[in-house]
Amino acid sequence: QVTLKESGPALVKPTQTLTLTCTFSGFSLNTIGMRVTWIRQPPGKALDWLARIDWDDDKFYSTSLKTRLTISKDTSKNQVVLTMTNMNPLDTATYYCARIGSDYDDAFDIWGQGTKVTVSS
Amino acid sequence: DIQMTQSPSSLSASVGDRVTITCQASQDISNYLNWYQQKPGKAPKLLIHDASNLATGVPSRFSGSGSGTDFTFTINSLQPEDIATYYCQQFDDSYSFGQGTKLEIK
Repeated sequence: QVTLKESGPALVKPTQTLTLTCTFSGFSLNTIGMRVTWIRQPPGKALDWLARIDWDDDKFYSTSLKTRLTISKDTSKNQVVLTMTNMNPLDTATYYCARIGSDYDDAFDIWGQGTKVTVSS
Repeated sequence: DIQMTQSPSSLSASVGDRVTITCQASQDISNYLNWYQQKPGKAPKLLIHDASNLATGVPSRFSGSGSGTDFTFTINSLQPEDIATYYCQQFDDSYSFGQGTKLEIK
């Protein structure tokens, strides 16, 4: 059974750096074709794609946020970490990680439950 | 960046109705489109991949069609458990989502 779970601080101050961890089970990021991605959703708003990391360590970022984002993986721990610098109140959102598996071309087939992050002083 | 425009933004329908949502891409994305369902307080769930293919375990009352810039998502015989917000997503060039369609029961 494939599961993913996000963890990180619920509250960060403006200008701080946010670090989120996605811990997964049921698959390996050493497997060819496996990818993990991050998406966020501000309260009452639409989904917003952030970043992706692949089994071969290729990394891709949202054009509008690429200067603030870093994605990395620790395959020994089955974890993917996303950092976002210079947080501001507009970054308040639920942050999800999801798997992009090999069953479908490029679909986010399994999602974590999400973690809510509030940016406030 | 590719913009995805969904319509309507919300709709109300009765149990048993056929419901249709449209999604338009700002440029040709072939069939590189997925549909997700998000119930209140929950993570999204993949329903349709590659524009018209049902994901594993998804009921057959859900369907998708289209290619190029115009896509349609349909629920045949709406059920109470289908109350959710539905999103289209393109993956032709990076990823982007539509703004969502909130479906309510009349």
